[in-house]
Amino acid sequence: DVKVTQSSRYLVKRTGEKVFLECVQDMDHENMFWYRQDPGLGLRLIYFSYDVKMKEKGDIPEGYSVSREKKERFSLILESASTNQTSMYLCASSFRGQGNEKLFFGSGTQLSVL
Amino acid sequence: EDKVVQSPLSLVVHEGDTVTLNCSYEVTNFRSLLWYKQEKKAPTFLFMLTSSGIEKKSGRLSSILDKKELFSILNITATQTGDSAIYLCAVSRLQGAQKLVFGQGTRLTINP
Repeated sequence: DVKVTQSSRYLVKRTGEKVFLECVQDMDHENMFWYRQDPGLGLRLIYFSYDVKMKEKGDIPEGYSVSREKKERFSLILESASTNQTSMYLCASSFRGQGNEKLFFGSGTQLSVL
Repeated sequence: EDKVVQSPLSLVVHEGDTVTLNCSYEVTNFRSLLWYKQEKKAPTFLFMLTSSGIEKKSGRLSSILDKKELFSILNITATQTGDSAIYLCAVSRLQGAQKLVFGQGTRLTINP
């Protein structure tokens, strides 16, 4: 079974802190994603990576950056956390090519910024 | 702007009932529609639909796509408390298929 692991289930940070959310997948997937999930808004794509060191902005990249130094690991960075970044963050991965829209998700990190 | 709308947003039923969840979409260059189930953890894949009128079935769950009217339904028969979850609908496009557009989700609660 595909496993996508997010390093923290719950995280509490203070405004202005630099925050790192880590995600690791074990299925050699080329594509990795970071989404945030907010009530009434569904999942919104923050950033997407289709290969090591390659990234593409999603729908809401402002205030975030990402890093993909190894194929299995995709990090989301909040350079200076703000209260409006309090949310559930979901990492996902998929194969490249046919069926690449079938995403495999991690369990999520609930981030609270105080 | 591409859009996916799910209804209802919330639904409470009794165990044993049958439920129908709706997903409508307005997406340029549609490729496929996907359903996910999200309990208190990772969303898990249920179905991917690409062709109109062909029902996909897995146990008590089934789904069908209507590409003319631009919607899909997810049916759950003989509901159980374990079906309580958020059900997510997402659509992919021909270009950049892996970048899904998600609906708001339907929160389904099954009471014993």
